[in-house]
Amino acid sequence: GQNIDQPTEMTATEGAIVQINCTYQTSGFNGLFWYQQHAGEAPTFLSYNVLDGLEEKGRFSSFLSRSKGYSYLLLKELQMKDSASYLCAVRDFSQGGKLIFGQGTELSVKP
Amino acid sequence: KAGVTQTPRYLIKTRGQQVTLSCSPISGHRSVSWYQQTPGQGLQFLFEYFSETQRNKGNFPGRFSGRQFSNSRSEMNVSTLELGDSALYLCASSLASGDNTGELFFGEGSRLTVL
Repeated sequence: GQNIDQPTEMTATEGAIVQINCTYQTSGFNGLFWYQQHAGEAPTFLSYNVLDGLEEKGRFSSFLSRSKGYSYLLLKELQMKDSASYLCAVRDFSQGGKLIFGQGTELSVKP
Repeated sequence: KAGVTQTPRYLIKTRGQQVTLSCSPISGHRSVSWYQQTPGQGLQFLFEYFSETQRNKGNFPGRFSGRQFSNSRSEMNVSTLELGDSALYLCASSLASGDNTGELFFGEGSRLTVL
């Protein structure tokens, strides 16, 4: 089976840095993904990690440790528009390669 | 390039009825996945189609079914609707099945309310 855990809610201040953690258990890991979903909108792709380490993309970075079953999404210089749900997802080849999502972390950015 | 298009965007049904939702993927994308999103359960995988074949299926009852046409457009059907089927149904397309980049492109969803 597969289990993906991430915090339900987080609050941070505009201009600050926030780290959203994700832990997973899978038998056929083949990549971890982060998506952003604003209220009432479709999820949009943020990042992809398949090897250990940090992937940086502008204000957003994502880290993966396969041995620990752990990832985080780091958001720097927070802006009000970053208020959204952040979804961690894992592709598992033991389940046919489908993408399985965590419940999402609702991030609120305050002024 | 047009994005993923889902129709209808909103619909209201009563218990026992059936519903069909449609999804047109991005041009050139051959894989279509369907997800159910609810506040309590998050995004739950329903099924994935590639080249008119179901490649993967989630843990949903047989009332949930789908198909894909030769032009990659996909439909999903829910029969004998229950109150608990009220949800946002999201369709996502990608170039190929199990595309390693993981970049699924989602539509805006079809919001189903069952009364």
